[in-house]
Amino acid sequence: DTGVSQDPRHKITKRGQNVTFRCDPISEHNRLYWYRQTLGQGPEFLTYFQNEAQLEKSRLLSDRFSAERPKGSFSTLEIQRTEQGDSAMYLCASSADRYEQYFGPGTRLTVT
Amino acid sequence: RKEVEQDPGPFNVPEGATVAFNCTYSNSASQSFFWYRQDCRKEPKLLMSVYSSGNEDGRFTAQLNRASQYISLLIRDSKLSDSATYLCVVNVLSGKIIFGKGTRLHILP
Repeated sequence: DTGVSQDPRHKITKRGQNVTFRCDPISEHNRLYWYRQTLGQGPEFLTYFQNEAQLEKSRLLSDRFSAERPKGSFSTLEIQRTEQGDSAMYLCASSADRYEQYFGPGTRLTVT
Repeated sequence: RKEVEQDPGPFNVPEGATVAFNCTYSNSASQSFFWYRQDCRKEPKLLMSVYSSGNEDGRFTAQLNRASQYISLLIRDSKLSDSATYLCVVNVLSGKIIFGKGTRLHILP
């Protein structure tokens, strides 16, 4: 399968714990995006990378959130000290420059 | 004004009918535009890009009006399988991507 993959698909954690999600983009894509989606809403932009550089970061991304793409390939999104309001679907997408994005299946986070 | 606004749904439409979705965007520097489809509890999937001259793909037609900052999607001869949420997507100059809230479509048999 040469699509975007995300791991894990589901994560249940207790409030206050740290979680880390991984995204593997389509191999020839240089852009990688992270979004958060809650029920009934469209995906909300969090951040994006062009190669290994993080070029844009949403105000939604508080200091508890950090994303990396160390070698310009896979990316990780870490949430520290999780809160119940962090419960959502976290989507990753990749694209070749400004062209169409292709999404992974998402990681569903539940904070109890 | 929200950055990307869509018709609030849901739309309940009989099979075979034509349905139109509208979307407006606030950033005049927006560069590229797309329609995505999202099925329940699935990831968004690209439906079509939207070009300045308008474009068609089978039963689907997309239009862009840069002067009015308006995008539309027309679905002709709707099928039961068209039932989904349709998301309007705008790529602004900085590279940031903005999704609309989505419009839910139910095709009725």
